[in-house]
Amino acid sequence: GQQVMQIPQYQHVQEGEDFTTYCNSSTTLSNIQWYKQRPGGHPVFLIQLVKSGEVKKQKRLTFQFGEAKKNSSLHITATQTTDVGTYFCAVNFNKFYFGSGTKLNVKP
Amino acid sequence: EPEVTQTPSHQVTQMGQEVILRCVPISNHLYFYWYRQILGQKVEFLVSFYNNEISEKSEIFDDQFSVERPDGSNFTLKIRSTKLEDSAMYFCASKGTRFFQETQYFGPGTRLLVL
Repeated sequence: GQQVMQIPQYQHVQEGEDFTTYCNSSTTLSNIQWYKQRPGGHPVFLIQLVKSGEVKKQKRLTFQFGEAKKNSSLHITATQTTDVGTYFCAVNFNKFYFGSGTKLNVKP
Repeated sequence: EPEVTQTPSHQVTQMGQEVILRCVPISNHLYFYWYRQILGQKVEFLVSFYNNEISEKSEIFDDQFSVERPDGSNFTLKIRSTKLEDSAMYFCASKGTRFFQETQYFGPGTRLLVL
């Protein structure tokens, strides 16, 4: 089946440090979505990227879609404790495939 | 703000028993989904449902699973004979249109424990 690889699996940062998670696919993607799941919570949609090379920002979050539409990244500038959670990318090949997630822990 | 609701929040059952997980999607949405998430693992697609029939299903969604929209508001997932490995969080999601740009809204989940 279709797979999307996501790294790293875990990231521990000090509050104020930056954080990045990456998703890679062997197949060209029509779009990629990013979700955040707080501990004990459900996935919450953050953003969707559609265009090659697209960059979107949401406050301290920057989302990028690769030129070849095979990879994407989520970068958080100056992390806060409220950023704690697992960040998933997800791709749609008729079925939705989620990446394995990157669990972010932020130490105050 | 409209939201997806799920009941029960927790379900404990004995192996071999049938369980029905219930979801109420957002009222004007047309596409419905079930996912599961084993503790500490990624979210896995189970099935999508549109116009009263299954659109797509994964390898996980075998004959033990079924979905139904018994009325205009509920969307159910039935597991006929539960196995230990069915223990997971089950999320329902809905979206308004078929377009990829439309975001899915997830419910809070039902935590299923099979003993």
